[in-house]
Order: sequence, then structure tokens, then C-alpha cells
Amino acid sequence: SQQGEEDPQALSIQEGENATMNCSYKTSINNLQWYRQNSGRGLVHLILIRSNEREKHSGRLRVTLDTSKKSSSLLITASRAADTASYFCATDGTGGYNKLIFGAGTRLAVHP
Amino acid sequence: KAGVTQTPRYLIKTRGQQVTLSCSPISGHRSVSWYQQTPGQGLQFLFEYFSETQRNKGNFPGRFSGRQFSNSRSEMNVSTLELGDSALYLCASSPDRQRDTQYFGPGTRLTVL
Repeated sequence: SQQGEEDPQALSIQEGENATMNCSYKTSINNLQWYRQNSGRGLVHLILIRSNEREKHSGRLRVTLDTSKKSSSLLITASRAADTASYFCATDGTGGYNKLIFGAGTRLAVHP
Repeated sequence: KAGVTQTPRYLIKTRGQQVTLSCSPISGHRSVSWYQQTPGQGLQFLFEYFSETQRNKGNFPGRFSGRQFSNSRSEMNVSTLELGDSALYLCASSPDRQRDTQYFGPGTRLTVL
């Protein structure tokens, strides 16, 4: 079963708007990662946040982590058409080693 | 550094056949993980290899197997293919440290007819 659940499943916005995606997970984690996938291609790593961190920034991306609520959010500011993709959160859970457990993903469409 | 490479990129097989997929990790990375992605089940962990040893395995039948070579390159094999094995198979590599960022390859699209 999947560790994470993403919300919303799909998001449609205009260029320039902000996009927020949420992820919830079930078990304790060491870190949480966000990935982007374009049209069924490989996953591109966006950001990793460790369990002792609450917020992290990378360019137009802002990730928050609330371990008490077992949830994370990804904010993309000033969205561009090129941001159109599926976004996944992944946790390491208690499975150990490099075993990532993915959520179902959010499909983001940014319209020019 | 070159990224993770996977070969072949596309593959068409028929039921009952077997298939071998290959993954070359980023230079210096010793951990290689494999994932299956399908529309119905999403992204699921298959197994992870580190220094030629399988360290972790997902919940897949024994038809799915893998191995890692001394140069960290990895292969996965699926025997007696079923229609439900049609999927995008993704390989990821990461450095020695556990629970670090995983870098994914472009995937191999397997279609079973």
C-alpha cells in the first residue's frame, strides 16, 4: 500500500499563479522528497526535507513538513507552463535503506 | 556527471517471455533501486542493491529478480511475463549514505502483449 496520499489529485491554474500540493503519510520518516515527472518520463528530484526541518526553499519551490500531522506541502510560486507535470511526494518510512514509498501524485496543468 | 541511464527505453514482449532491463547508475553511486510505475498501482518499490547485495525487497512475486555487478550497474529480470507487467520501470541511484536523495533514470517502457 502507498505511504503517501496527495491532494489534490489534479490542479489547473494560469501562468503566474501559485500552486500548492499537499501530501500526507502514515508512518514515521527520516526524510521526505518531492519529485516531478513529465509525461511518463523519469522522475526529477526537486527537494529533500529531513524530519528535523520544518521548511525548505529552492528557487520558486517552498516545502514545509509537519511531522506531528504527518503532512507536507509543496508550493510553486509564479507558475510557468513548463511546470506542467505530475508531482509526487516520497518518504523513506521505516522500510530502511533506499526504499521510497510514493504517493499517488498531483497532476498540475499550468495554462499560458 | 552523466545521469542514470537505462536500456532499452522501450520494449515489447509477449506473455510468457522473459525480459532483462539494464541500469547504469551515476558514477560513484553504489546503491541502485528499482521501481515499477503503472496507472493502477502508481510507483512501487521493487528492490534495492548495494555493493552487489540485495538490501531490501518490495512486495512482488519471485518472477521479478535483479542483480548488481561490481561496477554498480544493475539488471532486473522478469520471467514468465504477464499482461499486468506492462509498466514503466524506473531505476534510481544514490550515494553510499542511506536515505539520501535518489536520482532516477528515464525508465524503460515495457509493453506485454
